[in-house]
Order: sequence, then C-alpha cells, then structure tokens
Amino acid sequence: NAGVMQNPRHLVRRRGQEARLRCSPVKGHSHVYWYRQLPEEGLKFMVYLQKENIIDESGMPKERFSAEFPKEGPSILRIQQVVRGDSAAYFCASSDSRGEKLFFGSGTQLSVL
Amino acid sequence: KQEVTQIPAALSVPEGENLVLNCSFTDSAIYNLQWFRQDPGKGLTSLLLIQSSQREQTSGRLNASLDKSSGRSTLYIAASQPGDSATYLCAVGGTSYDKVIFGPGTSLSVIP
Repeated sequence: NAGVMQNPRHLVRRRGQEARLRCSPVKGHSHVYWYRQLPEEGLKFMVYLQKENIIDESGMPKERFSAEFPKEGPSILRIQQVVRGDSAAYFCASSDSRGEKLFFGSGTQLSVL
Repeated sequence: KQEVTQIPAALSVPEGENLVLNCSFTDSAIYNLQWFRQDPGKGLTSLLLIQSSQREQTSGRLNASLDKSSGRSTLYIAASQPGDSATYLCAVGGTSYDKVIFGPGTSLSVIP
C-alpha cells in the first residue's frame, strides 16, 4: 500500500530549462496539493487539483508554472524557463476527500544552476 | 485571508520533559486542523487531525487541542525523547478555502 510517490527525488536544471515534477497520490485519492518550501521558510501552498480539474491555483505564479492531474497517470507540476529563485523543495500531498488527513510525499529538491 | 503562526519558533528541552507547542490562526471558520512532523530533508508525517467539531485528539504521547473561538491549537508532547526532535507544523483547512495553510513551524530539539 504505497504512499505518495514523488519523482525525481532530486532534479538539477540550468537556467532556462524546463522542470517536470511528478506525483502519484495514494491509490484511490483524488485530491492532490502541491506545496513549495524554500530554505528556512515554511510550506507555501501552490495549487489544489482534483482529477482533471484545477480547483485553486492562487498560490502558483501566473507565468512559467502549470499543473495538471489527468484522469490517468500522475499529477505533474511543470516549471518552464527555470530561474535560480525556483530552487526549492516541492512537496505533493493527497487525500481521499476534502477535509481528510493529508499524506505527503518525500518531495523533489529542485536545484537551478 | 487565513494566516497561521506558531510559537515558539524553536525549542530545546532535556529528555523526559513535557512540552507544549502553540498554533494560532486568524480565521476561526476552519474545517479542520492538522499537526505534522517534518524531519530534516524529509517529507511531512501527519500526527493528528482535529475536525472543527472536535476539541482534542490523542495519539500515544501526543495530545492536540483545538479552540476555534480563540483561534488556537496546542500540541502537547509528554515525556519527550530525543527521537521527537524535528520540526512540528500545524496546518489549517478552511471552509472558505480549499487549500490547507501551514504555519512556519516549531523546531524542537530534545537533548539526551
């Protein structure tokens, strides 16, 4: 009974490249959340998705960032034309319904050179 | 806009001591409140989930209380152990917001 799986665990990109972060929620969970954690800072909400729908993306920068949670397959957080300020740990969480316990993945550490 | 704060930011205690971590939130119209633990370089582990209709939850040496009217929650850790050393985060899920908002965390060190 696997938990939330995120890959890759570490991702290194040069400025201007694209970063794709994947998140497979707990089996049966249809709610996915993405958070960003900068060094010495707390977790900041980015986007909340349900299958095939973006429910709330108010925490996500308007440019270069996008997220999806297709009917089949993992949720993807995509960052285009990365900059050094994008370097952070990106965490994905899932729940089986709103208001229930969140299960977190181990995160993807993105480093932009 | 919901804001979550945690006091203290850091805490160091000798092994065996009982301790209390505090969490405050500005909008009392919450759906639930969760306490998490994060170890360095790792993801988050959910410790306790309190629904808005509940006043407390207990798991082993941990007890979390919720006072919606005052916008506060406390996490009580009994008989602390070195293995309890971690960052503890509280997170609020709101009726007006579908996202969960995290506090900045309390970094706990339990000294053997």
